[in-house]
Amino acid sequence: GEDVEQSLFLSVREGDSSVINCTYTDSSSTYLYWYKQEPGAGLQLLTYIFSNMDMKQDQRLTVLLNKKDKHLSLRIADTQTGDSAIYFCAERGSGGYNKLIFGAGTRLAVHP
Amino acid sequence: DSGVTQTPKHLITATGQRVTLRCSPRSGDLSVYWYQQSLDQGLQFLIQYYNGEERAKGNILERFSAQQFPDLHSELNLSSLELGDSALYFCASSVGDRIYEQYFGPGTRLTVT
Repeated sequence: GEDVEQSLFLSVREGDSSVINCTYTDSSSTYLYWYKQEPGAGLQLLTYIFSNMDMKQDQRLTVLLNKKDKHLSLRIADTQTGDSAIYFCAERGSGGYNKLIFGAGTRLAVHP
Repeated sequence: DSGVTQTPKHLITATGQRVTLRCSPRSGDLSVYWYQQSLDQGLQFLIQYYNGEERAKGNILERFSAQQFPDLHSELNLSSLELGDSALYFCASSVGDRIYEQYFGPGTRLTVT
């Protein structure tokens, strides 16, 4: 079946790095995504990685994919208070479906 | 701003009623997706339309229906509303039939009393 799991909460100090982890079950997933949701707002696509890649970097964001362990992580360097939000990991559903399977979301709290 | 617009932003209605949520995709996007976000179920895919045709169906109740019009905007119709239908309803769009980049609208918050 398709399932995506994330830890629910992460607290970091401003200026430190944040690492948000995610595991997924569908080994045929071709694309894996990270979305950010700020309070009262919609989902913002942060980045995505294709399954034949191990790593993708985009400014302060680094995505690592361990396909063997079905583990995805998002590292945010120099975390700022504006990074406080809920971060969702998602995989593209299999079986020809064009749907995204989302995790429950990790709430990132950044404190001074 | 993702370029996906949704109206209304908030909707309060009573049980048993029917409502229509509207979505306009980004310019040039042919696919529209509907998702429901609730506290107990999280974010769940409901249905996808591509260029006017239904393309994929998820956990959508029979009381719910959707359509995509020739101008590519989409409507999600929710009928015989129950308290448990209270949720955030998101629309997303992508260029083609396959998801590579999917952009979400700001959502419609539905409260059923």
